[in-house]
Amino acid sequence: GAVVSQHPSWVICKSGTSVKIECRSLDFQATTMFWYRQFPKQSLMLMATSNEGSKATYEQGVEKDKFLINHASLTLSTLTVTSAHPEDSSFYICSARGSGEQFFGPGTRLTVL
Amino acid sequence: QQQVKQSPQSLIVQKGGISIINCAYENTAFDYFPWYQQFPGKGPALLIAIRPDVSEKKEGRFTISFNKSAKQFSLHIMDSQPGDSATYFCAASNVGYGQNFVFGPGTRLSVLP
Repeated sequence: GAVVSQHPSWVICKSGTSVKIECRSLDFQATTMFWYRQFPKQSLMLMATSNEGSKATYEQGVEKDKFLINHASLTLSTLTVTSAHPEDSSFYICSARGSGEQFFGPGTRLTVL
Repeated sequence: QQQVKQSPQSLIVQKGGISIINCAYENTAFDYFPWYQQFPGKGPALLIAIRPDVSEKKEGRFTISFNKSAKQFSLHIMDSQPGDSATYFCAASNVGYGQNFVFGPGTRLSVLP
């Protein structure tokens, strides 16, 4: 299947700082990218959907000013968690879709101290 | 109507046995039904997928059975192995409409040696 990478794979930061997570589709052009959040032993919770060159669409209850998403190219999307707090600690997973199938990145474990 | 139900929540199978996970949906516009496998600390990986024009799809030890009239689909893992122990998510989408995937809550499979 297609490859989607995420960087970093894990990050620890202090409360109040901002963290940027990159998501790249390595061997296909992703017209749409998705960002999910997953809590332990739970399903994936969609945070936002982004199409290349346009503003992201956020799910209800997700603060767009806190979770900044940029989809600057067909192979790169970034999620920036601004002014992170301990409750933002979670597993963040991106996903990319090209011609139909959706492929997931390996995830980023964020721990906010 | 967007919900995808999945059962059982957890499943324990002996090595060599058959693992069966069931999903049900309401939205008849869904036209793509993938199954994802997720290991702890990793992103979901596409396992197998089916479209509603066929009733069954088999790839190795993994088979999807699809019942369009009942709006149900299931994953069968034949000759289950300890390495199959993971969380499995079913999903559904209207790919032609560019719709995001709707995920089931997941099934934690444990295959005993």
